[in-house]
Amino acid sequence: GAVVSQHPSWVICKSGTSVKIECRSLDFQATTMFWYRQFPKQSLMLMATSNEGSKATYEQGVEKDKFLINHASLTLSTLTVTSAHPEDSSFYICSDLLGLNTEAFFGQGTRLTVV
Amino acid sequence: DAKTTQPTSMDCAEGRAANLPCNHSTISGNEYVYWYRQIHSQGPQYIIHGLKNNETNEMASLIITEDRKSSTLILPHATLRDTAVYYCIVKDNQGGKLIFGQGTELSVKP
Repeated sequence: GAVVSQHPSWVICKSGTSVKIECRSLDFQATTMFWYRQFPKQSLMLMATSNEGSKATYEQGVEKDKFLINHASLTLSTLTVTSAHPEDSSFYICSDLLGLNTEAFFGQGTRLTVV
Repeated sequence: DAKTTQPTSMDCAEGRAANLPCNHSTISGNEYVYWYRQIHSQGPQYIIHGLKNNETNEMASLIITEDRKSSTLILPHATLRDTAVYYCIVKDNQGGKLIFGQGTELSVKP
């Protein structure tokens, strides 16, 4: 089945710095991918839809200038958390698109800790 | 908002069947029922999905009521590795994003 690979698995960064998270589709072309965020003991919250070759679509309440999404190729979408603060510490997960008679596949997730 | 309601948590003895219920009373005719699970600190894993017929695969069985307003995921012989949060999601299969509810935290105990 389709595989989505996310990197890094975990990252610790200093407050004020930026962090890039990569999401790759390993054996298929993904024109659309999704980014989720998950705080401890909570469910996944959709942040944005990443579209290859065009601007991402952000969910209400998600700051597009803080969470920069780039989907420059059919196999790679990146999420950059800019000027990270401790409250951005979370588990970030990407997925591909649920398709006709196919399920969505998720990356392994990235644990971001901002200190 | 999620269109499903699930119990917050459930316990199951190892080796016994785990039956996880889900209510989706507002499901539309073209919406499927999808089940995913998330083991701690990992991405969600697909389990099974169905429209109106019962479905079975190597992981689980999905029983959907005739009126499609509720369903039950059955893990026939739960193991400790089945301890996870189980999410029931209703959606059409025409592509698009998955919206997660709170899910059921299943604890399989020895």
